[in-house]
Amino acid sequence: GENVEQHPSTLSVQEGDSAVIKCTYSDSASNYFPWYKQELGKGPQLIIDIRSNVGEKKDQRIAVTLNKTAKHFSLHITETQPEDSAVYFCAASQSYGNNRLAFGKGNQVVVIP
Amino acid sequence: DTGVSQDPRHKITKRGQNVTFRCDPISEHNRLYWYRQTLGQGPEFLTYFQNEAQLEKSRLLSDRFSAERPKGSFSTLEIQRTEQGDSAMYLCASSLGGIQETQYFGPGTRLLVL
Repeated sequence: GENVEQHPSTLSVQEGDSAVIKCTYSDSASNYFPWYKQELGKGPQLIIDIRSNVGEKKDQRIAVTLNKTAKHFSLHITETQPEDSAVYFCAASQSYGNNRLAFGKGNQVVVIP
Repeated sequence: DTGVSQDPRHKITKRGQNVTFRCDPISEHNRLYWYRQTLGQGPEFLTYFQNEAQLEKSRLLSDRFSAERPKGSFSTLEIQRTEQGDSAMYLCASSLGGIQETQYFGPGTRLLVL
């Protein structure tokens, strides 16, 4: 099955700086890659996703890049704010079939005011 | 609120008791997923439904677990004879299905087995 790994496990950044989280996946058949933000005691919230037919996608301060050859994708958060502090999960799935998501272990992002 | 809802939000039970959780997906979403999340880990897939049909179960779903989606709308997840190792957050997600694979998660049910 699919194996997704995230690095680093914890990331501290100064407010206003950029944060980058990287994920790798193992199954070359995976073609859908969402990122979720999870705050304490809450369910994961989708923040951005990318499909394998594109290499980059942006939404305001958030962007995701995908390298299919190397099987890795990254989340970029610019101009970080304290409310960006949370655990971020990457995931991978195949959009044909059951679409079951395989998640990484998560990254704790701390934005220091 | 038109998002995914789950009930209860928290459940404390004694080992050996049965518990049942409910999930109401986003209206008109054909697919419904259950995941389990333990502390410090990402969610792990348990099972999913296409309308009322349960199409796949993870090996994590032992025979003490059963899930239903009787009319293709809400779903229930029952755990019989709970064990301390069942303590986790149980998450429900829904999607339109087909090529619309985006899954939207509910707030989860936090289970603590004493």
